[in-house]
Amino acid sequence: DTGVSQNPRHKITKRGQNVTFRCDPISEHNRLYWYRQTLGQGPEFLTYFQNEAQLEKSRLLSDRFSAERPKGSFSTLEIQRTEQGDSAMYLCASSLVVTDTQYFGPGTRLTVL
Amino acid sequence: DQQVKQNSPSLSVQEGRISILNCDYTNSMFDYFLWYKKYPAEGPTFLISISSIKDKNEDGRFTVFLNKSAKHLSLHIVPSQPGDSAVYFCAASAGLYGNKLVFGAGTILRVKS
Repeated sequence: DTGVSQNPRHKITKRGQNVTFRCDPISEHNRLYWYRQTLGQGPEFLTYFQNEAQLEKSRLLSDRFSAERPKGSFSTLEIQRTEQGDSAMYLCASSLVVTDTQYFGPGTRLTVL
Repeated sequence: DQQVKQNSPSLSVQEGRISILNCDYTNSMFDYFLWYKKYPAEGPTFLISISSIKDKNEDGRFTVFLNKSAKHLSLHIVPSQPGDSAVYFCAASAGLYGNKLVFGAGTILRVKS
């Protein structure tokens, strides 16, 4: 069991550029969650998938954000036209539907200059 | 609206003594509670959880207590070790809401040797 993996671990970009992050969940975990964490705060929910279906999106997820999980395995999170306020740690977690415990990846640290 | 609150930003404890971290919540729909530990530049690591049908759950040095009437939970670490020094997050979920986690802001625990 390799755990949840995320790539890249760090991303520095200029304002206005697009970025894409990838998350590989624990195999056989059918739920996948994205969270965002800023300094001094706990993680905040962004969106989640059950298999390939995106079941909920937070109002934090503006139109510039899009997430996919095309085959119910890995997921991508894309941010278009990045802004400095998007700078944060983006965390992915996965779980089984039948249990409530989510396991987190190491996160992707985004810095928008 | 902060639904999960950790009112102590930091806690300092001597090695070998008990660490008690506290968490309050406001949403009566929460039915599952978790504690995560986080080191800098890493994702949260699951520690222990408790369902709302229980009032105590124990795993080695870690015990979580739940007081539903007071909407309060606490994490006890006995005995505390220097390696326990990290940020601890309390999180809550409601099955009705797809188990997305709502986190507190975290408590920094320092265990002095």
